[in-house]
Amino acid sequence: QVTLRESGPALVKPTQTLTLTCTFSGFSLSTSGMCVSWIRQPPGKALEWLALIDWDDDKYYSTSLKTRLTISKDTSKNQVVLTMTNMDPVDTATYYCARIYYGSGSSHFDYWGQGTLVTVSS
Amino acid sequence: DIVMTQSPDSLAVSLGERATINCKSSQSVLYSSNNKNYLAWYQQKPGQPPKLLIYWASTRESGVPDRFSGSGSGTDFTLTISSLQAEDVAVYYCQQYYSTGMYTFGQGTKLEIK
Repeated sequence: QVTLRESGPALVKPTQTLTLTCTFSGFSLSTSGMCVSWIRQPPGKALEWLALIDWDDDKYYSTSLKTRLTISKDTSKNQVVLTMTNMDPVDTATYYCARIYYGSGSSHFDYWGQGTLVTVSS
Repeated sequence: DIVMTQSPDSLAVSLGERATINCKSSQSVLYSSNNKNYLAWYQQKPGQPPKLLIYWASTRESGVPDRFSGSGSGTDFTLTISSLQAEDVAVYYCQQYYSTGMYTFGQGTKLEIK
């Protein structure tokens, strides 16, 4: 059974760095074709893809946010970490991690965590 | 980046009737080498994460009721719910995965009961 769970601070101050952790089970990020992504959703708004890391440690970032994002993995702990620098109130959102498995050649998000709401406010 | 535009933004349909949601991409998401459209559809209910419904534009995810279907190719796609049920009230998103690491979603379509 595949599960993902996001964790991190619920409140950060403007200019601070946000660190979120995705802890997953039911698959291994050392398996060829496995990837974990971060996606966010401001309250009442659409989904926005942020970053992806794959089994080979290749990393991809949103064009508009790449200067602020870093994604990393700890395969032994089944965790993926996302850091976002210089947080601003517009970054207030629910942050999701989700899995992609290239096994069928497709990179859709087949499993999602429940999300964690991060509010940016002084 | 590929821009995904959904229409309409919101939709009200009577129970048992057909619901149709459209999605248009700013460039083709059809790979000529395998003739597959790199497009997925998700359903999101209030307070829940998105749920995968359809991938490859028309392949239903396991466990998804067959009243949900996807169609289209190239730049124009449609999600159809053949007979709307009360539990289908949600926001629906399309997403392209044509370019690895450059995924984009549509703005969402809110589906309600008339």
